Amino acid sequence: AQKITQTQPGMFVQEKEAVTLDCTYDTSDPSYGLFWYKQPSSGEMIFLIYQGSYDQQNATEGRYSLNFQKARKSANLVISASQLGDSAMYFCAMREGLLGANNLFFGTGTRLTVIP
Amino acid sequence: GAVVSQHPSRVICKSGTSVKIECRSLDFQATTMFWYRQFPKKSLMLMATSNEGSKATYEQGVEKDKFLINHASLTLSTLTVTSAHPEDSSFYICSARDLADSGFFGPGTRLTVL
Repeated sequence: AQKITQTQPGMFVQEKEAVTLDCTYDTSDPSYGLFWYKQPSSGEMIFLIYQGSYDQQNATEGRYSLNFQKARKSANLVISASQLGDSAMYFCAMREGLLGANNLFFGTGTRLTVIP
Repeated sequence: GAVVSQHPSRVICKSGTSVKIECRSLDFQATTMFWYRQFPKKSLMLMATSNEGSKATYEQGVEKDKFLINHASLTLSTLTVTSAHPEDSSFYICSARDLADSGFFGPGTRLTVL
């Protein structure tokens, strides 16, 4: 089974509007971390936001927030007030266990295009 | 779906030896492959971009002679860590991009240098 599933290959959003990028995960480990990365065309991976499985509140980082629904095993990324520079690939990832030594499992990504 | 494999998944080596990591796209042609190094605090650092048949483009601060990248075919890229030192111990991930510009990640390789 896929550890991370991103069902939206591509998304469009009007500039200044909010957009939600979906991510569901699969793990039996009670301890895990969820990540979102932005990948511009240059290839670099830009860390956006992190949510730990034991975190009580949804993570927020500026215009990024993570809608963490543990029972549904979903970790959707919400980008508010979209900007043209937000156009990029977005990857959801999970690390099982809380130690830094474990692998990151990535989803297949969602290409976001912000329309002027 | 598209699959990217990495081999080996884990490797332990002595200081001063060289280690080769392979990244393969199993069911698609990858015109571009990226190599990343993962640091403990979540971030993935892009090391280099490789295009099939041409020299890799290294990011600033990445030593070309230490991290040799070869992209010999549309399905294989290799990263060789030469004269490895303990500070090279890390998690290395490759990503392959297909003609539709979709990106797929390998499972990563954990390198430990003693």
